[in-house]
Amino acid sequence: DAGVTQSPTHLIKTRGQQVTLRCSPKSGHDTVSWYQQALGQGPQFIFQYYEEEERQRGNFPDRFSGHQFPNYSSELNVNALLLGDSALYLCASSPTGGASYEQYFGPGTRLTVT
Amino acid sequence: QKEVEQDPGPLSVPEGAIVSLNCTYSNSAFQYFMWYRQYSRKGPELLMYTYSSGNKEDGRFTAQVDKSSKYISLFIRDSQPSDSATYLCASGGAYPSGSARQLTFGSGTQLTVLP
Repeated sequence: DAGVTQSPTHLIKTRGQQVTLRCSPKSGHDTVSWYQQALGQGPQFIFQYYEEEERQRGNFPDRFSGHQFPNYSSELNVNALLLGDSALYLCASSPTGGASYEQYFGPGTRLTVT
Repeated sequence: QKEVEQDPGPLSVPEGAIVSLNCTYSNSAFQYFMWYRQYSRKGPELLMYTYSSGNKEDGRFTAQVDKSSKYISLFIRDSQPSDSATYLCASGGAYPSGSARQLTFGSGTQLTVLP
């Protein structure tokens, strides 16, 4: 049973550019959450997607946007990159419309903004 | 003040020791409590999941929640070098059905178990 997968593993971008990160949830899971983890910090909630809609957003600007596809996979887009956006971006999936707090994380995408 | 506070460590113990990892939280709405283990440059791995107060045991791991003092603990018995990782506590509220389950994390405690 494949767990949560994310791509790419890491990437380097320049300030002002745009980036798209991808996530495939664990088999049987229909809800995807995205988190940002800065170095030495715990993950911070960005937003959650269920039934192809953003259900809740954390304290992140509109430069962060997302999408969920009919097969439950998801994308995170970040526009106008800032140096402070450098972090590990984690995708977490959960079953049953996210009614459970049992969120399973992928390996993350490490984004470096120069 | 952060909603979930965690001593960052680092914590170093000899193999076989009992490890105690702790967090405090300030949001009274939190009802669900999780512990994640994160190896270097990897995603967090769910270790323990508890609801409300009480203890939960799974092998060498015991999670404890004291809601009266807003204190969360994870105990590791017979610690092994393979337990060396960063341990993250996380909490969430009992939101209405259909609401997102947003986890609030502590900053993590770095643990090293020496052989």
